[in-house]
Amino acid sequence: EPEVTQTPSHQVTQMGQEVILRCVPISNHLYFYWYRQILGQKVEFLVSFYNNEISEKSEIFDDQFSVERPDGSNFTLKIRSTKLEDSAMYFCASRTGTSLSDEQFFGPGTRLTVL
Amino acid sequence: EDQVTQSPEALRLQEGESSSLNCSYTVSGLRGLFWYRQDPGKGPEFLFTLYSAGEEKEKERLKATLTKKESFLHITAPKPEDSATYLCAVQTGPYGQNFVFGPGTRLSVLP
Repeated sequence: EPEVTQTPSHQVTQMGQEVILRCVPISNHLYFYWYRQILGQKVEFLVSFYNNEISEKSEIFDDQFSVERPDGSNFTLKIRSTKLEDSAMYFCASRTGTSLSDEQFFGPGTRLTVL
Repeated sequence: EDQVTQSPEALRLQEGESSSLNCSYTVSGLRGLFWYRQDPGKGPEFLFTLYSAGEEKEKERLKATLTKKESFLHITAPKPEDSATYLCAVQTGPYGQNFVFGPGTRLSVLP
């Protein structure tokens, strides 16, 4: 069964460093998403991506964040200069986009720890 | 602003003790309402999609219903393996590009 994959599963970095989180969405999906979940809190939307551009982003997704689909399979989230408060689980999700209301499939997440 | 709330925050049940979880929402232009299950340290796992008021979906011991303002996830005769956090999310936006999650209900089913 197709699934969304994410790497690495755990990333530890120093404050101020750049990190890139990687995702491989399901191959025939057209919409891609990044979410974050701080420990014990709810899943928060960061950004949605369609047709090689951002279609929606939240207030959390400031200039420190960027997304890219560098090739036909990968979808990346870059945090330019990490802060302590960026420590969270980051989930990638994708959906087909064949209807206006179809479910998202989530990856297993990357746990980011900023020291 | 689109908002989703869930209640209760946490629920402890004995095995076999049926109950319901609530998801209340305030959105403009609901495209769909989704229920997910999330186990600790893992990504949300899709359970159901509901599109219109009056709709119901069932899967094993779970049944989801939808009204114009809220959705219920009914759990019948739960088992310990049903223990998880249950998340509700709404999809909005002209292209269905927006998803807003509720805070979840943490369910514990005791043997």
